[in-house]
Amino acid sequence: ELKVEQNPLFLSMQEGKNYTIYCNYSTTSDRLYWYRQDPGKSLESLFVLLSNGAVKQEGRLMASLDTKARLSTLHITAAVHDLSATYFCARTTSGTYKYIFGTGTRLKVLA
Amino acid sequence: EAQVTQNPRYLITVTGKKLTVTCSQNMNHEYMSWYRQDPGLGLRQIYYSMNVEVTDKGDVPEGYKVSRKEKRNFPLILESPSPNQTSLYFCASSFGGGRGYNEQFFGPGTRLTVL
Repeated sequence: ELKVEQNPLFLSMQEGKNYTIYCNYSTTSDRLYWYRQDPGKSLESLFVLLSNGAVKQEGRLMASLDTKARLSTLHITAAVHDLSATYFCARTTSGTYKYIFGTGTRLKVLA
Repeated sequence: EAQVTQNPRYLITVTGKKLTVTCSQNMNHEYMSWYRQDPGLGLRQIYYSMNVEVTDKGDVPEGYKVSRKEKRNFPLILESPSPNQTSLYFCASSFGGGRGYNEQFFGPGTRLTVL
């Protein structure tokens, strides 16, 4: 079964702290995506990870991909309130153009 | 401005009354897709289209139809809506499909309530 699991589902953290969101997937994937959704809003693309060992960084967010472990991580450095949102990982299945999304991680950064 | 538009943004309807949610993109994207978002379930893909006249089922296609007669438009049709189709719907588009760099651009969403 094709699955994408994120953890934690909810994360409340203090400003200035570091934390990591994990995204595990069940079968070989072409590529891995991270999206952000603000409350009541649409989704915004953050990162596309194309190959094993890929690492991308934008501001306080860094995403990485380990295809052997079937794991992607989204690391938050020195969190600020503006990062409060729900973060989704997603993958495409090899040989098709289907997208499978994780259930999301709701992040709340407390001042 | 590059964008994906959806209409309507909000819709309340009754069981069995056919409806169409429109989706349009102005970025000349080949790939378009429909998702529904439900609490605790993330986004689930309903249908997708690789190009004009090419569509395929996602994970939850039952009760929905789509068509892709023009590259820019990808309407979602509910022939006989039921309460379990109450959800938040997103349309998205991207270059290519699952190949190449292909971040998806999402529309603003359509909140549908079926009574």
